[in-house]
Amino acid sequence: AQTVTQSQPEMSVQEAETVTLSCTYDTSENNYYLFWYKQPPSRQMILVIRQEAYKQQNATENRFSVNFQKAAKSFSLKISDSQLGDTAMYFCAFTESNAGNMLTFGGGTRLMVKP
Amino acid sequence: GAVVSQHPSRVICKSGTSVKIECRSLDFQATTMFWYRQFPKKSLMLMATSNEGSKATYEQGVEKDKFLINHASLTLSTLTVTSAHPEDSSFYICSAIPGRNYGYTFGSGTRLTVV
Repeated sequence: AQTVTQSQPEMSVQEAETVTLSCTYDTSENNYYLFWYKQPPSRQMILVIRQEAYKQQNATENRFSVNFQKAAKSFSLKISDSQLGDTAMYFCAFTESNAGNMLTFGGGTRLMVKP
Repeated sequence: GAVVSQHPSRVICKSGTSVKIECRSLDFQATTMFWYRQFPKKSLMLMATSNEGSKATYEQGVEKDKFLINHASLTLSTLTVTSAHPEDSSFYICSAIPGRNYGYTFGSGTRLTVV
């Protein structure tokens, strides 16, 4: 069974600084998708960034970028120029291409951006 | 963008009663709907996967007779918590995939409190 591990339950960062959230996963498959979701206090799940495993280039979305290390099964999220609105729970998630589209979530990292 | 509308957002019910949660895909056809449960400060746990026109697939440990899932149309899936007890109090979230690019869309969640 696939697993997703987020080793940092809580993190904090000063506004405008950069922070990196860690995520590792376990799979025997070669084709899969990785995601980072943000869950603010409203509890609405918001897609931050997505990475296809077959793409070597790291995905980037404005201030958010990933460091995808396929061999190491690592998928970290870097948030640059942190903003107060980035304060939220962040979940790393994974799905295999042939797993019925089921998403497996990591345990989450609570990020606090301090003014 | 694709939207999944989830209602109600909050519900309080008495022990022994049943509660229905609805998730509607507003601008796409949701062949599959995923139902998650989230405890405070915890990750999302997949409860079941519903497919339009067929029986839902439940994850291990989830009582299918307590959590009834119906997916009678391509735009509506419902979760009914039957004979609710205080331990069923939780946050329930649905999710669907609008297209083939694995862009999961989540409902806004339902906070259920059983008193």
